[in-house]
Amino acid sequence: EDQVTQSPEALRLQEGESSSLNCSYTVSGLRGLFWYRQDPGKGPEFLFTLYSAGEEKEKERLKATLTKKESFLHITAPKPEDSATYLCAVQARDDKIIFGKGTRLHILP
Amino acid sequence: KAGVTQTPRYLIKTRGQQVTLSCSPISGHRSVSWYQQTPGQGLQFLFEYFSETQRNKGNFPGRFSGRQFSNSRSEMNVSTLELGDSALYLCASSRGLAAKNIQYFGAGTRLSVL
Repeated sequence: EDQVTQSPEALRLQEGESSSLNCSYTVSGLRGLFWYRQDPGKGPEFLFTLYSAGEEKEKERLKATLTKKESFLHITAPKPEDSATYLCAVQARDDKIIFGKGTRLHILP
Repeated sequence: KAGVTQTPRYLIKTRGQQVTLSCSPISGHRSVSWYQQTPGQGLQFLFEYFSETQRNKGNFPGRFSGRQFSNSRSEMNVSTLELGDSALYLCASSRGLAAKNIQYFGAGTRLSVL
């Protein structure tokens, strides 16, 4: 069964304290992996798409990487405005998109 | 450019009733996907419509249905509501099929079933 697991469920960091969020997946024929950010009361906002192992993408303080079994979202020197829930999703061979339950990130000033 | 608009933002219904949710995609987007978000299950895919045709469907019972109009606006209907249907329902639009395009999400409709 296709599955996406994100860890940790919640993470509290001090401002400037870098860390990584994990997204591990089991899916038949991965066609793409997506990262989204969701703020309270809003819908998810697209961050990155990764298609193949070894691929990396960066945006400001965020960097996403992909291996054959997992993806990491690295957050460098985070600021309080980076506080949000980060969602990982995979596109399986049948084109269905499966989301993980997310990591709630809280950056303390 | 206007984003994805979902109406209403909040709904309260009782068990056994039916409900219709509306989604207006970004202008020019032809695909609309619907998701259910709950604290326990996270975001779960309901279905995707492209050019008025259902292209993909998640593992939800037949009580959940949808349609898309010629202007790409979409509606989702849930019949015979159950307590477990309480959730945030999110709509996402994309220029083409969701599998090959960035999805833009609306703010959602929060449905409470009493």
